[in-house]
Amino acid sequence: NAGVTQTPKFQVLKTGQSMTLQCAQDMNHEYMSWYRQDPGMGLRLIHYSVGAGITDQGEVPNGYNVSRSTTEDFPLRLLSAAPSQTSVYFCASSYSWTGTSGYTFGSGTRLTVV
Amino acid sequence: QQQVKQSPQSLIVQKGGISIINCAYENTAFDYFPWYQQFPGKGPALLIAIRPDVSEKKEGRFTISFNKSAKQFSLHIMDSQPGDSATYFCAAKGGSGGGADGLTFGKGTHLIIQP
Repeated sequence: NAGVTQTPKFQVLKTGQSMTLQCAQDMNHEYMSWYRQDPGMGLRLIHYSVGAGITDQGEVPNGYNVSRSTTEDFPLRLLSAAPSQTSVYFCASSYSWTGTSGYTFGSGTRLTVV
Repeated sequence: QQQVKQSPQSLIVQKGGISIINCAYENTAFDYFPWYQQFPGKGPALLIAIRPDVSEKKEGRFTISFNKSAKQFSLHIMDSQPGDSATYFCAAKGGSGGGADGLTFGKGTHLIIQP
C-alpha cells in the first residue's frame, strides 16, 4: 500500500524552465490536491480535483497547471519557473471532498528555482 | 485574508508537561477541524479531528477542545514526549466551496519537547 507517491523528491530548475511534478495515489481516492509550503506561511492550496476530468483553482494558482485524466494521477506543471516558486510541494488525496474524510499527504517535492 | 490564525509560532515544553496550541477561525461555514503533525522531511499526517457539534475529543494523549461561540479550538498534548517534537498545523474545511476548495491551514507551530 504505497499511499500518495510524489516524484521527484528534489529538483533544481533554472528560471524560465518548465517541469512536471508527479503525484500518484493507489487508494482510489476521489479528491486530490496540491499545496505549497513556505516558511511561516503554512500550506496553501494551488489546485484541486474532485474527480477525473474535473479541476479547479485554489488560493495560489498562478504559474501552475493541472490535469486529471485518471483517478490515480494528478500532475502539477510549472509553465515557466520563477524564483518565487521555490518551495516544498505536497500532493494530498482524500476519499471524498465532502464530510470529514482525512487527507493523506505525500512526502513532498523540494523545488529550488535559481 | 488569513482565515485560520494559529499561535504560538514556536513552543518549548519540558518532557512530561502539557503542550497547548491555539487556533481561531473566522468563517462560520467551517465544519471540520483537523490537526496535522509534520516531522522534518515528511508530509503532514492527520493527528486528530473534530466536528463543531462536540466540545472535546480525546485520542490518547492528544485532546482537541472546541469553543464554537468563540470560534476557537486548541490542541492539548498531555505528558509531552521528545518524540512529539514536530510542527503542528491546525486546519479547517467546509467554507464557500463546501469542502471542495480544500483545507485552510494555520501557519504552524514548531514544538520542541526538552528531555
